[in-house]
Amino acid sequence: AQSVTQLGSHVSVSEGALVLLRCNYSSSVPPYLFWYVQYPNQGLQLLLKYTTGATLVKGINGFEAEFKKSETSFHLTKPSAHMSDAAEYFCAVSMNRDDKIIFGKGTRLHILP
Amino acid sequence: GAVVSQHPSRVICKSGTSVKIECRSLDFQATTMFWYRQFPKQSLMLMATSNEGSKATYEQGVEKDKFLINHASLTLSTLTVTSAHPEDSSFYICSARGFGLSGEQYFGPGTRLTVT
Repeated sequence: AQSVTQLGSHVSVSEGALVLLRCNYSSSVPPYLFWYVQYPNQGLQLLLKYTTGATLVKGINGFEAEFKKSETSFHLTKPSAHMSDAAEYFCAVSMNRDDKIIFGKGTRLHILP
Repeated sequence: GAVVSQHPSRVICKSGTSVKIECRSLDFQATTMFWYRQFPKQSLMLMATSNEGSKATYEQGVEKDKFLINHASLTLSTLTVTSAHPEDSSFYICSARGFGLSGEQYFGPGTRLTVT
């Protein structure tokens, strides 16, 4: 079975500071990994995904994530936080491109002025 | 491209009535659609997976007679909550996956259901 653990249900960073949202996964097969963002009362938007190949994945809005197999991690980072980054972020995993996606519990990112 | 819409965005219904939520892929054909529910400040829980023209596959613990899913065309799936109760109040989100989209799921904006 696959699962995702997001460390920290709430993370606060100052505007302009580094954003780091942590995600660890469990999978019996090489995973497909995703980060989604959700703004209040809206659906999910894909930030980035890892399938195969390069372990450092760049996404939209300046976000990137690195797949580290040895640490079973897929942490999301952004060098400089912006007020518009305040949202809920979900890490997710699936077995392959056609499989269902399993979501973590989410991390709410707060940006402090 | 790859836009998914949901209708209605919000609905309030009385306990005991049924409500239908539509999910449409606007610019691609969705071979598979997924239905999720999300309780306040919680994650998305997959309810069921539907493939066009076949019966939906429900996740463990989801009552298929209560949450009726129909995927009659490649652009439309519907979720009907039958005999709704206040505990069914939730945010329902659909996603769709189509041909040649690298397996990516595209999410709708969600439907807020409130049962009074």
